[in-house]
Amino acid sequence: TQLLEQSPQFLSIQEGENLTVYCNSSSVFSSLQWYRQEPGEGPVLLVTVVTGGEVKKLKRLTFQFGDARKDSSLHITAAQPGDTGLYLCAGIRAGNNRKLIWGLGTSLAVNP
Amino acid sequence: DAGVTQSPTHLIKTRGQHVTLRCSPISGHKSVSWYQQVLGQGPQFIFQYYEKEERGRGNFPDRFSARQFPNYSSELNVNALLLGDSALYLCASSAGPGSPQHFGDGTRLSIL
Repeated sequence: TQLLEQSPQFLSIQEGENLTVYCNSSSVFSSLQWYRQEPGEGPVLLVTVVTGGEVKKLKRLTFQFGDARKDSSLHITAAQPGDTGLYLCAGIRAGNNRKLIWGLGTSLAVNP
Repeated sequence: DAGVTQSPTHLIKTRGQHVTLRCSPISGHKSVSWYQQVLGQGPQFIFQYYEKEERGRGNFPDRFSARQFPNYSSELNVNALLLGDSALYLCASSAGPGSPQHFGDGTRLSIL
């Protein structure tokens, strides 16, 4: 059983479209992190969210942590080919601050 | 400042052999984690070391072992290699367990 479910697993869109990627769990997390990984490279941390209902923006990327801290979303506005990559969420479950739980990722392809 | 460095970048081995992968964390980081990643999926946690002690272990067989040195660098050892061990092996360093992780670009291991 996957503790962090990411959806969709694959996404192929045209340049300029908007998209949302989801990271869901039945468990409460004290924090969630979003990473992006490009081919041939390791994942790169984009953002960490720690407060229920928190919204963080990184240029065209908007990250939201659910009020109950069980889910998070990543919204990309006007996607560009440079956004192509594997988007991973990872979190620390409340009461267990040692182990980072990973989702399986959303593979995004933005076509010019 | 140098990021997380891993060596070698690529490695080809045959079944039954053993392999040692190396990782140097970001200066000041005391925690190192090892992950196995197959193409298109999220990282699978193998080990975490903090202050030279094992702090976490994923669901991997005893053929996988690791250690952390006094300078906080780390080695991952895999014995009796199987075809299924072919993957990208990622090392991540962090200030401590649960802190956001900074990844190296990985070692691509191919088993023939």
